[in-house]
Amino acid sequence: KAGVTQTPRYLIKTRGQQVTLSCSPISGHRSVSWYQQTPGQGLQFLFEYFSETQRNKGNFPGRFSGRQFSNSRSEMNVSTLELGDSALYLCASRRSGAQETQYFGPGTRLLVL
Amino acid sequence: QKEVEQNSGPLSVPEGAIASLNCTYSDRGSQSFFWYRQYSGKSPELIMFIYSNGDKEDGRFTAQLNKASQYVSLLIRDSQPSDSATYLCAVTLPSNTGNQFYFGTGTSLTVIP
Repeated sequence: KAGVTQTPRYLIKTRGQQVTLSCSPISGHRSVSWYQQTPGQGLQFLFEYFSETQRNKGNFPGRFSGRQFSNSRSEMNVSTLELGDSALYLCASRRSGAQETQYFGPGTRLLVL
Repeated sequence: QKEVEQNSGPLSVPEGAIASLNCTYSDRGSQSFFWYRQYSGKSPELIMFIYSNGDKEDGRFTAQLNKASQYVSLLIRDSQPSDSATYLCAVTLPSNTGNQFYFGTGTSLTVIP
């Protein structure tokens, strides 16, 4: 079974721009979560999508948004980029059920200049 | 109070020794427990999960769960330099919008050759 894929893997943007990141979960997984990871803050939960609906949301400003498509692929968008948005953005695919497990993709490293 | 607490380390052990990593959680309703390994610059990789009290062994790794004391630990036997990484503890808590994952900030492990 293929793992979680994320594109692009690396991205350089300038302040004020916007960016869209993509995630394809493991086949059969309907839940996708997004996390931001920075050296100082650790893993911060952004949001979770399940069957095209946002199920949970972390404490991030409205500049961060996401969506999920009918094939479970998900995108997240960050508008009006700030220097502090430089981070590793991780997508996690969740196998739901009695023994729920979550697997991470390789991440997208975003650098905002 | 954070849901999941880990000693940030760094923890250093000599090659061949047993590395012991600990994690405590605050909510007795926590259901599932996970250990992820994260190499520098990479995404977290699931290495162990445990759902019931007791020990679970997988190769050189043993996860131990004690729900009464609200801690979960990871033992790495015959530690190798390749085990040098940050280890993240995660738990799930049920909510009305599905189980939510909570991560600790990670323990940095260095295995000295």
